[in-house]
Amino acid sequence: DIQMTQSPASLSASLGETVTIECLASEDIYSNLAWYQQKPGKSPQLLIYYANSLNDGVPSRFSGSGSGTQYSLKINSLQSEDVSIYFCQQNYDSPWTFGGGTKLELK
Amino acid sequence: QVQLQQSGAELVKPGTSVKLSCKASGYTFTSNHMNWIKQTTGQGLEWIGIINPGSGGTSYNVKFKGKATLTVDKSSSTAFMQLSSLTPEDSAVYYCARLSGHYVMDAWGQGASVTVSS
Repeated sequence: DIQMTQSPASLSASLGETVTIECLASEDIYSNLAWYQQKPGKSPQLLIYYANSLNDGVPSRFSGSGSGTQYSLKINSLQSEDVSIYFCQQNYDSPWTFGGGTKLELK
Repeated sequence: QVQLQQSGAELVKPGTSVKLSCKASGYTFTSNHMNWIKQTTGQGLEWIGIINPGSGGTSYNVKFKGKATLTVDKSSSTAFMQLSSLTPEDSAVYYCARLSGHYVMDAWGQGASVTVSS
C-alpha cells in the first residue's frame, strides 16, 4: 500500500496568517492527490483534486501544489472557519490511502 | 443538490453483524461509484471499498475483505455496507462517499457511528 505521511500533525496559527501543510507519498503518485477538510463534528469535504485543482465553491485562499511524492496545501489569509482537520489522499493506486491528518487551530 | 443520507448510530454485540445504509439523492444514482470509508481516532481514515451501482461490481481493500460486503438497491437509490463478525476494533464512524468524475470523493454522507460492545 502507498503510505501517506502528513506534517505537521497539528498547527496553530493566527487569523490572516498563511499556513502550509505537507503530504509525502511513499512512491510517485503522479499528482493523483486530493485534499479534504473536516470541520469539527462534520464529514470530510473535498477541497482540491489532481494536486492543484480547486473543487467548486472552495475559496481561492486555498491552493495545492506538488508532484511526484511531495505535495502541499496552502491556506492564505487564515479565517476562523478554516479551523479543521485536513487530510491528503492518494487515488493513484488501490487501496486508496489517506494521510494521518493535520489539525489546524487558531492561536 | 447531491445528498447522501446515512442510517443512524448502532450499538451492537461482538460476533454479530450490522448493515448500514446510504440513500442518495440529487443525482442519477447509477452514474457514480460509491465508496465506504472507516474513521477512527487511532487509525484515521481508511478506504474500505467501492461499488458500481449500475452493475453491482465491487472492489475491496484487502484489509476489509471478509469483513465488509457492499451492495446496492437501485430502486431506492440506496447503497449498503454489511459488516460481519464484529469486534471492538470495528467500532468507528463509517462514511459513504460518492466518486466524482475526477476519481475523488466529492460528496460524503454524515457518517454512521458503530459501537461494538458487550
